[in-house]
Amino acid sequence: DIQMTQSPSTLSASVGDRVTITCRASQTISGWLAWYQQKPGKAPKLLIYKASSLESGVPSRFSGSGSGTEFTLTISSLQPDDFATYYCQQYNSYSGTFGQGTKVEIK
Amino acid sequence: QVQLVESGGGLVKPGGSLRLSCSASGLTLSDYYLAWIRQAPGRGLEWVSYINRGDTTIFYADSVKGRFTISRDNAKNSLYLQMNSLRAEDTAVYYCATVHYGSGRYWGQGTLVIVSS
Repeated sequence: DIQMTQSPSTLSASVGDRVTITCRASQTISGWLAWYQQKPGKAPKLLIYKASSLESGVPSRFSGSGSGTEFTLTISSLQPDDFATYYCQQYNSYSGTFGQGTKVEIK
Repeated sequence: QVQLVESGGGLVKPGGSLRLSCSASGLTLSDYYLAWIRQAPGRGLEWVSYINRGDTTIFYADSVKGRFTISRDNAKNSLYLQMNSLRAEDTAVYYCATVHYGSGRYWGQGTLVIVSS
């Protein structure tokens, strides 16, 4: 099974900061890598799919990049609404695997 | 407006069964690949089961294989998860989601399953 490891687990940042979250796969994946934002008590919200495609309606300050085993989610200028937990997820052979999550907290 | 609504969760004893439903509005589920994804309290996300558009490919996580069954009823525009032989470790919020390029695009609000004696 492919394991996904996110770093950091927690990130403290201020409004306006540039934030980068990394996701590493235990083996090379095809690029079907997604990023989600989740707030307490809510379902995850899709931000990025296919590693770098921005989901419709998601602000352009969110971007994704990477290939092979290393992928990143970047928030170019952190906004108050962005404090949440972020998950990466890979998809391979009808199965998905999520990272353990990165909580973005107010500094 | 797309909406997925899960139902059927609740408190069940170990070894018991539940059937979760996911009803859709604003989209036709038969046009979509679908998945059930769960989240244990305070924990991360786990991909539980997947069904393709033609129902010809079905996947189950090892943790539920042989106990859970995914199905859909196109006439009712609904997705189901039959859960048997439930264990304490199955306690979680269960979400249904449409699958778009391997990612969950539209999600329901979730239904809580608690397995406890």
